[in-house]
Formats: sequence, structure tokens, C-alpha cells
Amino acid sequence: GAVVSQHPSWVICKSGTSVKIECRSLDFQATTMFWYRQFPKQSLMLMATSNEGSKATYEQGVEKDKFLINHASLTLSTLTVTSAHPEDSSFYICSAALPGQGAREQFFGPGTRLTVL
Amino acid sequence: SQKIEQNSEALNIQEGKTATLTCNYTNYSPAYLQWYRQDPGRGPVFLLLIRENEKEKRKERLKVTFDTTLKQSLFHITASQPADSATYLCALDTNAGKSTFGDGTTLTVKP
Repeated sequence: GAVVSQHPSWVICKSGTSVKIECRSLDFQATTMFWYRQFPKQSLMLMATSNEGSKATYEQGVEKDKFLINHASLTLSTLTVTSAHPEDSSFYICSAALPGQGAREQFFGPGTRLTVL
Repeated sequence: SQKIEQNSEALNIQEGKTATLTCNYTNYSPAYLQWYRQDPGRGPVFLLLIRENEKEKRKERLKVTFDTTLKQSLFHITASQPADSATYLCALDTNAGKSTFGDGTTLTVKP
């Protein structure tokens, strides 16, 4: 089956630092990847859609300069939380879609728990 | 405004019974509806997708129905087992290339 990995699985950082999270599709090429954040006992909130070789499409209310997304290859997308603050602490999850499938069947990574002190 | 509601935050049932979870939506016209399973601290896992022109879909002990008139999907797990305990999320795909998720229902199956 399609496997997506995320690294790191958890990270603790000081306020004001930047954190990079990697999302990799291990056994398939993903032209589209999605980035979500999830607060405790809440659902996944889509932050942005990342397409290989082009700029990410951000959802309303998500600061593109704060959450930098790069999708440089068909198997790797990165999310960089710049100048992180405690309110950015959350569970960040990426997903990848098979080519041509849009969001119909997403393969999710295991998530990254970010804690900003 | 657009809304996706999953019946209850938590559902407790006895092992062997059928669990039924509900997903209702308003002000959406989904082309597809998906169900995912999420375990604590993990990413969701895709279970089933049903298209707007399909009434029912089955996969092993899972059954999903989709009623576009009622704007509702039902997700059934038959012969439930404690290992089925998890949070189940429904998601709508309006063909805009992205999905919108409900808040989930946490199912606990007691032995």
C-alpha cells in the first residue's frame, strides 16, 4: 500500500525559532500533498494544498509567510513554521494523493507533534 | 454556512454489536464522501469512499450508505471488536481537489 512518512514525529522548540517538517511518499509519486493541523479533540483543518513544482494554495486565514511550503519533488513536501510561537503548538499531518485522484483517497503521514515553549 | 456534523462525540457499544455512525452535512454538494479511521496520536487511515451516485458500499465488516437527499452518510461496523475502537472521521470532497473533515466520532467497543 501507499506509505507516507513524516519527520520528525515530535519537536519541541523555543519561541521565535523556525521548524521544518518533512513529508515523504515512500512508494509512489505524489503530485499533490496536503498539510493539515489538528488541535486536541478537533478535526483536521486543511492549511494548504501543495503541488509539485508550483506554489502552494493556502486556505483562508492561513498565513503563507508563516507556514512556508515547498514541494520540490514528487516524493517530498516540506512545511516550515517560521518564528514559531506557543499558539502554533499543534499536531501537523500531511497527506499525499495518487496522481489524478485529487483528495479522494489520501494517504496520511503519522503526524508531527509541535510544542513551542 | 457549510457544516459537517458527526452524530455524537462518543459512542460506546458492546463487542459483537453493530456500530452505526452518522455524518450529516449542510450547504455542500459532495461528489464523494470518505470515511477514515484515526487512532490517538496517529494520522488518519482511509477506509471507504462512496460516490454521489452510489447508495451503498461494503468492505469486509464495513458498510457505508450515502443519501444525497437527506444529506447524510451512515457508517456501519458489524460484529464490532475492541480493536475497532478509534475515532472515525467523515470527509467530503466537492471535486475542488480537497476534502473537508467532520469532527469525528470516538467509538469504544467494550469486551
